[in-house]
Amino acid sequence: DQQVKQNSPSLSVQEGRISILNCDYTNSMFDYFLWYKKYPAEGPTFLISISSIKDKNEDGRFTVFLNKSAKHLSLHIVPSQPGDSAVYFCAANQAGTALIFGKGTTLSVSS
Amino acid sequence: DTEVTQTPKHLVMGMTNKKSLKCEQHMGHRAMYWYKQKAKKPPELMFVYSYEKLSINESVPSRFSPECPNSSLLNLHLHALQPEDSALYLCASSQDRSQGYGYTFGSGTRLTVV
Repeated sequence: DQQVKQNSPSLSVQEGRISILNCDYTNSMFDYFLWYKKYPAEGPTFLISISSIKDKNEDGRFTVFLNKSAKHLSLHIVPSQPGDSAVYFCAANQAGTALIFGKGTTLSVSS
Repeated sequence: DTEVTQTPKHLVMGMTNKKSLKCEQHMGHRAMYWYKQKAKKPPELMFVYSYEKLSINESVPSRFSPECPNSSLLNLHLHALQPEDSALYLCASSQDRSQGYGYTFGSGTRLTVV
């Protein structure tokens, strides 16, 4: 049973517009939620995280929103750039357990 | 040094071979992980080491044997693998397994079993 779900396998956005990547989870015990970015033939790179006690975290062009009642989080990228094209993984864990990843969403940003 | 280094980057091995994957970090992290990732799938946890002790083994077949010689090194010994074991093997580390911090991943070893 998937605890972390990314239901959109792909997303296409024009350069300069907003990219919104979504993630749902089932385990209400998760303490941390993280987004990783992955290019082909490379390992995942940490992008941004949010603690379960917060509802928003912002870092430059990247903002993560957490809605605990809906068990939903989203990553907003504004403005999107061609270099943002990659696979984005949502991940979550609770203290003492290892990260669990969603299946990933492939973002394509066209110029 | 804020990196996790994995060697080799690519490995092709036969089903009767014995090989080892290596992972190294010098960030003082005390938790290290092996993940396996197949194409179009998320990384799947294989093993967790916490303070150089194996703390999680996610029902991985015995043909995969992890080893943590010291706090900076993590090995994955491979023996009698099957073609379906071909995948990207990722090593990661974090400050402490008890805290929900994000991990630092290596670039992975692309393993092909023939």
